[in-house]
Amino acid sequence: DIQMTQSPSTLSASVGDRVTITCRASQSISGWLAWYQQKPGKAPKLIIYEASSLMSGVPSRFSGSGSGTEFVLTISSLQPDDFATFYCQQYQRYPPTFGQGTKVEMK
Amino acid sequence: QVQLVESGGGVVQPERSLTLSCAASGFSFKSCVMHWVRQAPGKGLEWVSGISLDGNDKHYADSVKGRFTVSRDNSKNTLNLQMNSLTTEDTGVYYCAREGYGSGYCGTFDPWGQGVLVTVSS
Repeated sequence: DIQMTQSPSTLSASVGDRVTITCRASQSISGWLAWYQQKPGKAPKLIIYEASSLMSGVPSRFSGSGSGTEFVLTISSLQPDDFATFYCQQYQRYPPTFGQGTKVEMK
Repeated sequence: QVQLVESGGGVVQPERSLTLSCAASGFSFKSCVMHWVRQAPGKGLEWVSGISLDGNDKHYADSVKGRFTVSRDNSKNTLNLQMNSLTTEDTGVYYCAREGYGSGYCGTFDPWGQGVLVTVSS
């Protein structure tokens, strides 16, 4: 199975901060990477697919980059609604696998 | 609008069985690959199972292979997960999710249901 590793596990930030989350794959997944946002008690929501394509309705302050084994999710200016846990997921091959998650909390 | 609603969760003793269902609406269910993803309390996301459009092709995580069976009824727009020989490790929220379709999107999970809690405890 392809292992996905996110860093950091927890990130403390303030409104307006630029936030960066890294996701590394144990082998190349080309660009087959998705990012999800999950708020407490809610289902995950797909925000980025194919490493850098933003889902419709997702604010443009979110962006994704990377290919191969290293990927980055960036929030250009953190907003109050963005405090949540973010997961990466590879869909290069079965089984689909997720990173362990990065919790973005208020500093 | 697209909606996925899970049901069937609850408290069950170890080694017993439980069946989850997911009712789909607002889209062409028969045209979509479907999945189950779970989340243990306070933990991350774990893919559990996926099923093809016609139900003939099924995939399972190693952790549930041989114990769980996924199925679908396209006439009723329903996805099911039969869970046997449950252990405490199976405790968590179970989500059904539609697989994305289209260029670059196939293989993602969008949207997800609200989830249903399964608690395996004696």
